Amino acid sequence: GAGVSQSPSNKVTEKGKDVELRCDPISGHTALYWYRQSLGQGLEFLIYFQGNSAPDKSGLPSDRFSAERTGGSVSTLTIQRTQQEDSAVYLCASSLSGYRQETQYFGPGTRLLVL
Amino acid sequence: EDQVTQSPEALRLQEGESSSLNCSYTVSGLRGLFWYRQDPGKGPEFLFTLYSAGEEKEKERLKATLTKKESFLHITAPKPEDSATYLCAVQFTGGGNKLTFGTGTQLKVEL
Repeated sequence: GAGVSQSPSNKVTEKGKDVELRCDPISGHTALYWYRQSLGQGLEFLIYFQGNSAPDKSGLPSDRFSAERTGGSVSTLTIQRTQQEDSAVYLCASSLSGYRQETQYFGPGTRLLVL
Repeated sequence: EDQVTQSPEALRLQEGESSSLNCSYTVSGLRGLFWYRQDPGKGPEFLFTLYSAGEEKEKERLKATLTKKESFLHITAPKPEDSATYLCAVQFTGGGNKLTFGTGTQLKVEL
């Protein structure tokens, strides 16, 4: 079946502009996660959704970052007033029910470059 | 502080030359340890989950093992197509559902 999909694949923006990144989880998966992968930093957790609610937002780096999920499916990560340090690969993952220890399946990522 | 450390950072092997990658962790209570493979320009691909010390899992040329302080990913007779970055991640007590990742081991297998 189809895996996690993300769009756009690549995004180049100018400092100060807002960007929206989209994630389509695996059909039927109720849990959705956003991570960020920066050069030399590894993958860092941003936010976790169970259905449309976000019980864990502890990884969002600043109030410029926000995310929402609608219909228990698609999620959008928004970065306002982008900064050069926001340049990274943003990865989305989903899991079947959000049960701990459950496998998280990743999408291909969106590569964001802030000039 | 909860930490995940992978070593070596990079590893170059000849085809057929077996080796092991290490993932050591210091967490308050391990709930699960996950191994992923990541190819350039792609998202991580799930390999294994280990839950308790002594557990082992195998898939083709890969075998993952777990102790109370670390996990090893053993690669037997590797092929060039095994070249990738291998990532280790943990879930721990008090950490919710998030995965905490190490920085990975970049493996290159040469003919």
